[in-house]
Amino acid sequence: KQEVTQIPAALSVPEGENLVLNCSFTDSAIYNLQWFRQDPGKGLTSLLLIQSSQREQTSGRLNASLDKSSGRSTLYIAASQPGDSATYLCAVTGTASKLTFGTGTRLQVTL
Amino acid sequence: DTEVTQTPKHLVMGMTNKKSLKCEQHMGHRAMYWYKQKAKKPPELMFVYSYEKLSINESVPSRFSPECPNSSLLNLHLHALQPEDSALYLCASSLQTRDRGAKNIQYFGAGTRLSVL
Repeated sequence: KQEVTQIPAALSVPEGENLVLNCSFTDSAIYNLQWFRQDPGKGLTSLLLIQSSQREQTSGRLNASLDKSSGRSTLYIAASQPGDSATYLCAVTGTASKLTFGTGTRLQVTL
Repeated sequence: DTEVTQTPKHLVMGMTNKKSLKCEQHMGHRAMYWYKQKAKKPPELMFVYSYEKLSINESVPSRFSPECPNSSLLNLHLHALQPEDSALYLCASSLQTRDRGAKNIQYFGAGTRLSVL
């Protein structure tokens, strides 16, 4: 059974800092990996999708990397802003086309 | 338009009530999903529909009954729920299910917050 873990569980940084969120998964037989953002009580917004054959994807201040063989992904956020405060979830799509979510990292960016 | 619309936003029901959650998308997606999310936990998959047919049921109790009347609409019928079923119910859609890339991106609705008394 696929298990997805995110470290740290919570993170507080001052505005302007660069930061890295980590995601690890136990079964490397994945189709792709997605990073989502969730604001409190809201739905999920897809930030980046990395296909299993890719190493990284970039969107604005966000950069996600994937090392499928070691079961790891990182989400790098540059020049963090208070508006980045949210819970960040990584999720992997397995061969059964099911999305398995990680445990999440709650990010707080302070002024 | 990348919008998935869920109604209602909030729902309070008793254990003997029958209610339905509704999800709609007009992106031409042929895969639709129901997830359940408890507070401070990640979403857990409940059901997947592909081309209006149920393709995955994650051993969900029969008091939850999904329905996909057409390619744009997904319902979740609720009957005789328990207080522990209180959660945020999220709907999502994607172009397809069995794809390694962008066609697999799931777009989520804002959810229905359900309270069972």
